[in-house]
Amino acid sequence: GDSVTQMEGPVTLSEEAFLTINCTYTATGYPSLFWYVQYPGEGLQLLLKATKADDKGSNKGFEATYRKETTSFHLEKGSVQVSDSAVYFCALSDLYSGAGSYQLTFGKGTKLSVIP
Amino acid sequence: KAGVTQTPRYLIKTRGQQVTLSCSPISGHRSVSWYQQTPGQGLQFLFEYFSETQRNKGNFPGRFSGRQFSNSRSEMNVSTLELGDSALYLCASSTGQTNTGELFFGEGSRLTVL
Repeated sequence: GDSVTQMEGPVTLSEEAFLTINCTYTATGYPSLFWYVQYPGEGLQLLLKATKADDKGSNKGFEATYRKETTSFHLEKGSVQVSDSAVYFCALSDLYSGAGSYQLTFGKGTKLSVIP
Repeated sequence: KAGVTQTPRYLIKTRGQQVTLSCSPISGHRSVSWYQQTPGQGLQFLFEYFSETQRNKGNFPGRFSGRQFSNSRSEMNVSTLELGDSALYLCASSTGQTNTGELFFGEGSRLTVL
């Protein structure tokens, strides 16, 4: 079945440092890929997405490129801020059954702490 | 427009009891999915409803059930609660007709089973 593997951390960085969170996936179909972010005590918020190979998703300074050849979707940000401290989840969405139902498969999450 | 709303936000139950959680999707969204989040297992898919029909179900025991109403609001029920059911239950909505699978999540209902 489908699966997502991401570095679990925790990751601690100083403000303005470069961030990379690795994510690789296994899927039988042609999934869409997502990064979701979860701030303390809150639900998940979509950070960025890519729906096909070589697409680059970007938002709030974060970027990730859908690499089909390496089955990867690594998250990067050039200069992190304290406000970026959160848990980041890589996820894929693939079509299940003929009824048109989609299901997200998540990685375990990476906790990022940014210190001033 | 308003986001996904889940109630209650927090609740405490004892083993053997049952619980019902409610989810109101974004206006116009017809698909509602439920996920369980625990420290050990992470985020796991429970089920998905579209136009009052369950289209997909994850690998959970029959104690976990759900339904969707004609206004797209959804409820999930867990019967005969076990300690291991303690988790954050997240509801997510979508139009149900997208081909990207993007979901919009609520803030969750945190269930503690004592």
